[in-house]
Order: sequence, then C-alpha cells, then structure tokens
Amino acid sequence: DTGVSQDPRHKITKRGQNVTFRCDPISEHNRLYWYRQTLGQGPEFLTYFQNEAQLEKSRLLSDRFSAERPKGSFSTLEIQRTEQGDSAMYLCASSLARENTEAFFGQGTRLTVV
Amino acid sequence: AQRVTQPEKLLSVFKGAPVELKCNYSYSGSPELFWYVQYSRQRLQLLLRHISRESIKGFTADLNKGETSFHLKKPFAQEEDSAMYYCALGSSNTGKLIFGQGTTLQVKP
Repeated sequence: DTGVSQDPRHKITKRGQNVTFRCDPISEHNRLYWYRQTLGQGPEFLTYFQNEAQLEKSRLLSDRFSAERPKGSFSTLEIQRTEQGDSAMYLCASSLARENTEAFFGQGTRLTVV
Repeated sequence: AQRVTQPEKLLSVFKGAPVELKCNYSYSGSPELFWYVQYSRQRLQLLLRHISRESIKGFTADLNKGETSFHLKKPFAQEEDSAMYYCALGSSNTGKLIFGQGTTLQVKP
C-alpha cells in the first residue's frame, strides 16, 4: 500500500500518560495535515505542515499537543498528560501544495483514554 | 466564520430511488468545495470536487453560490453507495479542509 500510513491503528492509554502517533505521507506530498474526529462529527483540523515547517495550528490544539515533521517526510503527533476528552480518531492526510488538490487520508489512529 | 452544514445525519432510500445529500457552506471568498466518502472499514477518500464538474460513480454536485450550497445528487441509488458522506470546504492557501458533520446514506434493497 503506497498511500498514507498511520501507526498505531489503535491505542489505549491511562489518563495522564503520554502518547505519540506517527504518520507517513505519500512520498512526493509536501503538505501534511492532522485532523481529529469524534463520534458523530466530521474531522476537525488540528495542524498542518508544508515540508518541515508547521504553518498553522488550530485553537483546538492545546499546549499538551505537539506535532513535528523533522525532515519534511513523516510526522509525529504527541499528546502529553492525556485526558478522557482526548479519546478520538486521529487522522493524517497529505497533499501537494496546489489549489483544489485532493487530500489523501490515512486510516487513522483510534485513541482511547481510560 | 467558515462553516459547513449537512442537515441530515441519516438518509435512507430504496435502491433505484434518487438521492440528494444536502450541503450548505459559509465562506467569504471563492470557495473550494469537495465531497469525501467513507465506505465501511475504509479510509476517507475524495468523491468529487466542484472545480472538475464531473460525474463520479453517477454522483454530481453543483456549486450554487447564490444559495451557498453544494448538494450531492444521484438519480438512481445503488446498494454499494451506502457509506458516510462528508462535504468539505477547502482553503486555497493552505489546503486545510473544514468538514460538515457527515450524512450516512443507507440504500435498502
């Protein structure tokens, strides 16, 4: 599968623990996005990178969340001191930097905080 | 504020019936609009975009700037169309997407 891949697919963690998710985009895509999706809602934008630069962060992204894309390839999303409200599906997407371009999504990481 | 509204959470039709999934948006500039679909146990994928004005799997969507709508239509629903459909508004500068809440389409035999 040469699409966007995310790891792990599922993560169960205890409240207060830190978790880290990884996203590998399609290799030639210079843009990478993180979204969060809760039950019954559409995906909500969290942050995006163009190459290695993080260019926008949503107000949804509290200071417990940090994302990196160190070499402009894969990205990690870390959540520190997890809370039950962080339970959600975390989606990664990648695209080329042009107008009306298609975003390709990964299968997501489902986080459950107990 | 930029917003996408999909008023129906669930749309249930019989096979062969026409389908219209509603989408309204709020955006001050020139919108980029998309329909994404998620079939059971599959990832979210693009169905169509307003700029291409094409029919994909028999679906079409017309951008109506006066009504700020981008409804998705298909004249004859098939069982394999059953899925979750999301309308999304894209930013031309960043490619960021703002999604509606989604509509589950259920096509009954």
